[in-house]
Amino acid sequence: DAGVTQSPTHLIKTRGQQVTLRCSPKSGHDTVSWYQQALGQGPQFIFQYYEEEERQRGNFPDRFSGHQFPNYSSELNVNALLLGDSALYLCASSLGQTSRYQETQYFGPGTRLLVL
Amino acid sequence: GQQLNQSPQSMFIQEGEDVSMNCTSSSIFNTWLWYKQDPGEGPVLLIALYKAGELTSNGRLTAQFGITRKDSFLNISASIPSDVGIYFCAGHGGSQGNLIFGKGTKLSVKP
Repeated sequence: DAGVTQSPTHLIKTRGQQVTLRCSPKSGHDTVSWYQQALGQGPQFIFQYYEEEERQRGNFPDRFSGHQFPNYSSELNVNALLLGDSALYLCASSLGQTSRYQETQYFGPGTRLLVL
Repeated sequence: GQQLNQSPQSMFIQEGEDVSMNCTSSSIFNTWLWYKQDPGEGPVLLIALYKAGELTSNGRLTAQFGITRKDSFLNISASIPSDVGIYFCAGHGGSQGNLIFGKGTKLSVKP
């Protein structure tokens, strides 16, 4: 049973650039959430995608955008990178709205982004 | 962003000792989750709790969903070196899609 996968594992960008991170959910899951984790902190919610639409969004600027594809995989895009965007970006997948266990999210290994 | 109050922040214990950590919130949650994260890795789900008062075990780990729905604890019995890592609690309010995380408890185990 394939778990959540993310790519790339590490990325180095410079200020002002744009970045795209990718996620494939756990087999059988249709909902993808993205989180940002700064060093020494717990993950902070960015947004969640279900049925190819953004279902909920956290307190992140519009520079952060996403997409979900028909196969449930997802992308996180960040434009105009700032130094403060350096963090571990985590993708989590879960079952859909009709499931009692929709709140149970399984995380991928993350993408470490460094902005110079 | 909103966070849970997780304590202690860190623990340094002897191998074989029992460990207890907890999370409290000002908000009611419908689900409590406990994760373990190793350096540079994503959080791994340890235990999920779905009902107030629920007590669930996973090997040497035991977690409880508080009756008030505003707290949860995690116990680890007979700790071993591979228990080292950062433990996070996370709550879910039900009507929203996101998990709210604590700041983590860093566990160190001395052989």
